[in-house]
Amino acid sequence: EPEVTQTPSHQVTQMGQEVILRCVPISNHLYFYWYRQILGQKVEFLVSFYNNEISEKSEIFDDQFSVERPDGSNFTLKIRSTKLEDSAMYFCASSERGQGTEAFFGQGTRLTVV
Amino acid sequence: RKEVEQDPGPFNVPEGATVAFNCTYSNSASQSFFWYRQDCRKEPKLLMSVYSSGNEDGRFTAQLNRASQYISLLIRDSKLSDSATYLCVVTPRNTGGFKTIFGAGTRLFVKA
Repeated sequence: EPEVTQTPSHQVTQMGQEVILRCVPISNHLYFYWYRQILGQKVEFLVSFYNNEISEKSEIFDDQFSVERPDGSNFTLKIRSTKLEDSAMYFCASSERGQGTEAFFGQGTRLTVV
Repeated sequence: RKEVEQDPGPFNVPEGATVAFNCTYSNSASQSFFWYRQDCRKEPKLLMSVYSSGNEDGRFTAQLNRASQYISLLIRDSKLSDSATYLCVVTPRNTGGFKTIFGAGTRLFVKA
């Protein structure tokens, strides 16, 4: 069964450092998403990406964040200068179509900023 | 009012019980609705989409009431493996369908 894969599964970084979280969406999917979940809190939408551009982003997705699809398979989330409050689980997801169709999630990257 | 609101629970039920979860949403223009389940420290997994006419998948039944802005999930004959957090997910129409809003989830514990 095709799945979304994310690497690394866990990343520890020092405050102020840049991190790149990587995702390989399901191959025939065209819509890609990043979400985050702070421990004990709800899943929060960060950004959606379609046709090589951001289609929507939330208030959380400020100038510290960027996304890229550097090649035909990877989808990355970069945090330029990490803060303690960026510590969370980051989930990548993809869907075959937009318009609210079912999204499939990767297993997540747990980011710990120290 | 929260965009998507769920009773946090926890719901503690015996195996074989029927349990129902409710979810309300504030944006009347919302267009797509889903139930996901999330196991502890795992990713959300799609349980089922919710259609206007209501839909059933095995032991699971989802209902949508647009007039009341209300979604429900019914689980019949609960299994131990149903223990998880159930997430109500809504996609607002005015965002083009790209942004999804998650509820905080309802925790379910099924006991032998």
